[in-house]
Amino acid sequence: NAGVTQTPKFRVLKTGQSMTLLCAQDMNHEYMYWYRQDPGMGLRLIHYSVGEGTTAKGEVPDGYNVSRLKKQNFLLGLESAAPSQTSVYFCASSYGGTQTYEQYFGPGTRLTVT
Amino acid sequence: AQSVTQPDIHITVSEGASLELRCNYSYGATPYLFWYVQSPGQGLQLLLKYFSGDTLVQGIKGFEAEFKRSQSSFNLRKPSVHWSDAAEYFCAVGDRNYGGSQGNLIFGKGTKLSVKP
Repeated sequence: NAGVTQTPKFRVLKTGQSMTLLCAQDMNHEYMYWYRQDPGMGLRLIHYSVGEGTTAKGEVPDGYNVSRLKKQNFLLGLESAAPSQTSVYFCASSYGGTQTYEQYFGPGTRLTVT
Repeated sequence: AQSVTQPDIHITVSEGASLELRCNYSYGATPYLFWYVQSPGQGLQLLLKYFSGDTLVQGIKGFEAEFKRSQSSFNLRKPSVHWSDAAEYFCAVGDRNYGGSQGNLIFGKGTKLSVKP
């Protein structure tokens, strides 16, 4: 049981390049989330999904897109990377109902945009 | 708007000493409250949660937290700290304003705990 996995672990992009971060979970969770973590800022929600085929914006969605084509996968895309998107990105997942808030986190992806 | 404040950015305690990490929240109704821990280079792990009922909740790794409605606080405690407790700790409140059963977490900015031998 791998839990929540993220690919890649590290990435360096040049300004304007695009990339996709992959999150996979094997716990049959309905809900999935993408956060970014910046020093002194805590975690901020980018986008989330409450089920296969559905996505919604979080607190800081600008510059990112997401897709949930399969229940176990949640993709985060950067179409044109900017230095302000340098951050550590965490994916999380949870069951619904009262367990919604008990989120399981992946190990993170450290992204640097130069 | 809902918010979570962790007043201490960095705390250092000696191994074996007691620990209290502070958390204050702003929320219009009865909150769902959480503490998460992040070890260096890792994702976050749930330590404990409060939904309702007994205001003193027990978590993993010997941690406990007390919900005090009058003070809008949910402080994390541990009687005796171990070197392996060195990590960053995040308090969070469950945001129910998105409607339905969707539960987004609003995190504080974290408190980094260092443990002296």
